[in-house]
Amino acid sequence: EAGVTQSPTHLIKTRGQQVTLRCSPISGHTSVYWYQQALGLGLQFLLWYDEGEERNRGNFPPRFSGRQFPNYSSELNVNALELEDPALYLCVSSLETGNEKLFFGSGTQLSVL
Amino acid sequence: KNEVEQSPQNLTAQEGEFITINCSYSVGISALHWLQQHPGGGIVSLFMLSSGKKKHGRLIATINIQEKHSSLHITASHPRDSAVYICAVRPIKAAGNKLTFGGGTRVLVKP
Repeated sequence: EAGVTQSPTHLIKTRGQQVTLRCSPISGHTSVYWYQQALGLGLQFLLWYDEGEERNRGNFPPRFSGRQFPNYSSELNVNALELEDPALYLCVSSLETGNEKLFFGSGTQLSVL
Repeated sequence: KNEVEQSPQNLTAQEGEFITINCSYSVGISALHWLQQHPGGGIVSLFMLSSGKKKHGRLIATINIQEKHSSLHITASHPRDSAVYICAVRPIKAAGNKLTFGGGTRVLVKP
């Protein structure tokens, strides 16, 4: 069974540009969570999608947005990139919105020049 | 003060030694996760606990809900155990699986 897949693995952008990160959850999982792991900092919750809808978002500006498609894959969009945005962006998939094991993607490493 | 505190931040052990990593949290939780992150970023879920103790191979995780504390033990440590270990909690008031993470413990096991 395929795990959580994220693409691309690495991105290099310049300040002001826009990026789109993609995540495919494990088959059958309906929930997708996005987390940011900036260098030297812990993981911070970004967004939660379930059944195609945004259920919750963390303390990030509106230029961080996303969506979930009918096949439960998800995109994270970051507009107007700033110098504090470089980080590892991780996607997590889970079956239900409860207490169960989580499955992490390998992440997208974003650099901003 | 962070809601989830881990100690120590860094740990160096000799191969074969017993390792303990601690996690304390300040909110009511419905679950606690121990995660392992290897260089390169990949994160693996090791345990999910809501009470008691779990064991998998050389890894043991315990939780004391009353004391708001959890420990991860590695017995007979091996260089391949070198990684960052992260504690994450699901606060009772949190929706879904929105987690709050500790800062991680960087473990280096020397041969």
